[in-house]
Amino acid sequence: RKEVEQDPGPFNVPEGATVAFNCTYSNSASQSFFWYRQDCRKEPKLLMSVYSSGNEDGRFTAQLNRASQYISLLIRDSKLSDSATYLCVVIYTGRRALTFGSGTRLQVQP
Amino acid sequence: NAGVTQTPKFQVLKTGQSMTLQCAQDMNHNSMYWYRQDPGMGLRLIYYSASEGTTDKGEVPNGYNVSRLNKREFSLRLESAAPSQTSVYFCASSEMGTGSYNEQFFGPGTRLTVL
Repeated sequence: RKEVEQDPGPFNVPEGATVAFNCTYSNSASQSFFWYRQDCRKEPKLLMSVYSSGNEDGRFTAQLNRASQYISLLIRDSKLSDSATYLCVVIYTGRRALTFGSGTRLQVQP
Repeated sequence: NAGVTQTPKFQVLKTGQSMTLQCAQDMNHNSMYWYRQDPGMGLRLIYYSASEGTTDKGEVPNGYNVSRLNKREFSLRLESAAPSQTSVYFCASSEMGTGSYNEQFFGPGTRLTVL
């Protein structure tokens, strides 16, 4: 079983739609959580950190549920430019590097 | 600032050939990393260097060696390439925090095909 699991998609949504992605992690010894964005054939870039109390950055909202071991990302009012793969990332206690999910692909259509 | 740079961008090797992937960062970061990305697998850590002079194995180190040449540069070497090493390789760097996370910045990647 992968340590970080995501629905690969693709999620095809019209512009202006609200879309949500979930991610589950298997190791409870987790320390920090993030969403990275990766455009086609490009490098990953940090989208936002995920805090226990939930956090928002413009149209993006991230939530963490430690009891159920899942993380979510909500995108409101989708734009064409939101089309990308969204990577769920966890740092486990005692490890320095990031553990990545395989990503969820979003395609926003006009 | 260029951020994290990688060379080459593309490479095709034959089985058994060797090569070195180069990575450099100009952000004065202490920590550097090498990942590989395969379809459906996400990024997996090969090796990392917490600071100049130190290197440690990651999740998939077999078949690779690394050198932290100085604070700026971290190279990845394939001594005898195998088709299973066909992948996209990303280098990343971050400041080394004391117990807190520092964002990792990635290079543009090297697309390697081993025939």
